[in-house]
Amino acid sequence: SQQGEEDPQALSIQEGENATMNCSYKTSINNLQWYRQNSGRGLVHLILIRSNEREKHSGRLRVTLDTSKKSSSLLITASRAADTASYFCATDPNAGGTSYGKLTFGQGTILTVHP
Amino acid sequence: DAGITQSPRHKVTETGTPVTLRCHQTENHRYMYWYRQDPGHGLRLIHYSYGVKDTDKGEVSDGYSVSRSKTEDFLLTLESATSSQTSVYFCAIQGQMNTEAFFGQGTRLTVV
Repeated sequence: SQQGEEDPQALSIQEGENATMNCSYKTSINNLQWYRQNSGRGLVHLILIRSNEREKHSGRLRVTLDTSKKSSSLLITASRAADTASYFCATDPNAGGTSYGKLTFGQGTILTVHP
Repeated sequence: DAGITQSPRHKVTETGTPVTLRCHQTENHRYMYWYRQDPGHGLRLIHYSYGVKDTDKGEVSDGYSVSRSKTEDFLLTLESATSSQTSVYFCAIQGQMNTEAFFGQGTRLTVV
């Protein structure tokens, strides 16, 4: 089963615009992570936000976490053509006991940034 | 890039044959994972390891086995490959829990 569900499935914007992607999940979590995947490549970690955090920033990235709504959002500001990729949220569930860092991924958002 | 290497990068095999994929890391990370990525499903966990000889099943473990005899190597074996196992397989490593994972470049496996 997919813990994380992402919205939208695809997003097309112009360079310079902001891109917002949303992720919803179902169970309690230890942390939520966002990854980027360029076509045909592996996943690259972008940012991790722990369950006791509400917002984190990294460069042009801003992530929010609302544990009461079980949702997160990733904002990319001033987007560039090089940001074109698939973006995945992944949750490290807190099901009691040890999670061993197992991640449950959403299906991803395909972002296309037009020059 | 984290020191994680998957081999082979591409493989075509016939139905019913055994296949082994290798993940090698140079980071001395304790935790290692095998995921598969299919259209419409994102990444799904197959098996994971939390130490040498310590492994457990993930969400989609049927038809797969793993072994970890050394910290640096985590092997994924398809005992008898089926067409449903055609996928892209990713290995990931993690040093400590509640931290980021690092992914390999993936192995594209086609079962014909």
